Amino acid sequence: QVQLQESGPGLVKPSETLSLTCTVSGGSISSYYWSWIRQPAGKGLEWIGHIYTSGSTNYNPSLKRRVTMSVDTSKNQFSLKLSSVTAADTAVYYCAREEGCTSTSCYTANWFDPWGQGTLVTVSS
Amino acid sequence: QSVLTQPPSVSGAPGQRVTISCTGSSSNIGAGYDVHWYQQLPGTAPKLLIYGNNNRPSGVPDRFSGSKSGTSASLAITGLQAEDEADYYCQSYDSSLSGSVFGGGTKLTVL
Repeated sequence: QVQLQESGPGLVKPSETLSLTCTVSGGSISSYYWSWIRQPAGKGLEWIGHIYTSGSTNYNPSLKRRVTMSVDTSKNQFSLKLSSVTAADTAVYYCAREEGCTSTSCYTANWFDPWGQGTLVTVSS
Repeated sequence: QSVLTQPPSVSGAPGQRVTISCTGSSSNIGAGYDVHWYQQLPGTAPKLLIYGNNNRPSGVPDRFSGSKSGTSASLAITGLQAEDEADYYCQSYDSSLSGSVFGGGTKLTVL
């Protein structure tokens, strides 16, 4: 089955750019939306945005100014860049595949399945 | 402040039934967008529990069920077990934000 794995630096300095990559294994990255979601310690989940395999993106308005996502279909990877980070960006970052249809039905909102195990990114000098 | 509102905590004794509510608005659940639920065990990534309001992925026990009405949705867990102790999140789409939104999460304690 499809598995996702996040990778990237665990420590980023304030004002710098956070960069993470998600590697998809066990299946093709093609023809899906791929999302980044984060979770500060002890808090809830926040959708950061998603990218389609064509390169089309949609970002959370609260982060849009600082977020860039990209996809490399040849490597079965997609990436997140978050610029000008502060301590408020410290969180576990998850990558996930979006689904909106089963073999029999399509739905009006996509869900996230599967998820990567998550990677903790700390913003500190 | 999450777009979808959940109670911070619920609790129940083993064998009992509990429900977790998820309240939205006219730009998300009330607009007809479907609701999904996730279970997050301590120290792990969220796992899809219910999709499309009331559908269980393969492997999810039928003790878990979902429903949706108006601007709200609910997750019901019957026959509570100790292993159900986790955080639960609802998720949908919001047309004002043009993206996915989550509830703030509900911590389930099995007494």
